Amino acid sequence: DQQVKQNSPSLSVQEGRISILNCDYTNSMFDYFLWYKKYPAEGPTFLISISSIKDKNEDGRFTVFLNKSAKHLSLHIVPSQPGDSAVYFCAARTGGGADGLTFGKGTHLIIQP
Amino acid sequence: EPEVTQTPSHQVTQMGQEVILRCVPISNHLYFYWYRQILGQKVEFLVSFYNNEISEKSEIFDDQFSVERPDGSNFTLKIRSTKLEDSAMYFCASRPTVTNEKLFFGSGTQLSVL
Repeated sequence: DQQVKQNSPSLSVQEGRISILNCDYTNSMFDYFLWYKKYPAEGPTFLISISSIKDKNEDGRFTVFLNKSAKHLSLHIVPSQPGDSAVYFCAARTGGGADGLTFGKGTHLIIQP
Repeated sequence: EPEVTQTPSHQVTQMGQEVILRCVPISNHLYFYWYRQILGQKVEFLVSFYNNEISEKSEIFDDQFSVERPDGSNFTLKIRSTKLEDSAMYFCASRPTVTNEKLFFGSGTQLSVL
């Protein structure tokens, strides 16, 4: 039961270009979405998030877009840098309180020099 | 910058043995979580803990698992009788308040059950 889907296991992008990572979800009760970045042997690190009442959130080189009707969100990184090479996880949650996050399987982003 | 710390970084155990994974969440955070990631698979939610009790748990978190906050700083995950399929990276996370959605993760404990 994959409520959060990241269909691209890996993505290779040239340094300086735009990286676009995609995420689809099936649970219409999700009201908050987050992107995490993970390096090997480290825990996930929060990157950027978006509430379901918004369609865009920007933080420096990172922008997240949410299309609720399509149940789709994307993370744009521009320009891509070598340090961006990592696994990116899309995550979502429902409601308030202490609810846990539901993660996608991740996309391994490789930035080529 | 404050961080979530987990010990040990690696744990090797024999099938059927009990293991305790330890975490020190960020001070003043109110919500605590355990997640796991089996090699090559997604990060999976196990349990959340608030106000000294379990708030939510997944189907994975069966009777073999338990969590405890024995004092004001530690948060532990105990697996009573480990199985081969418990081999995974276990991540602890904490969150400051209910209005702050961001979870802060530790670097994980790699559990290997032989």
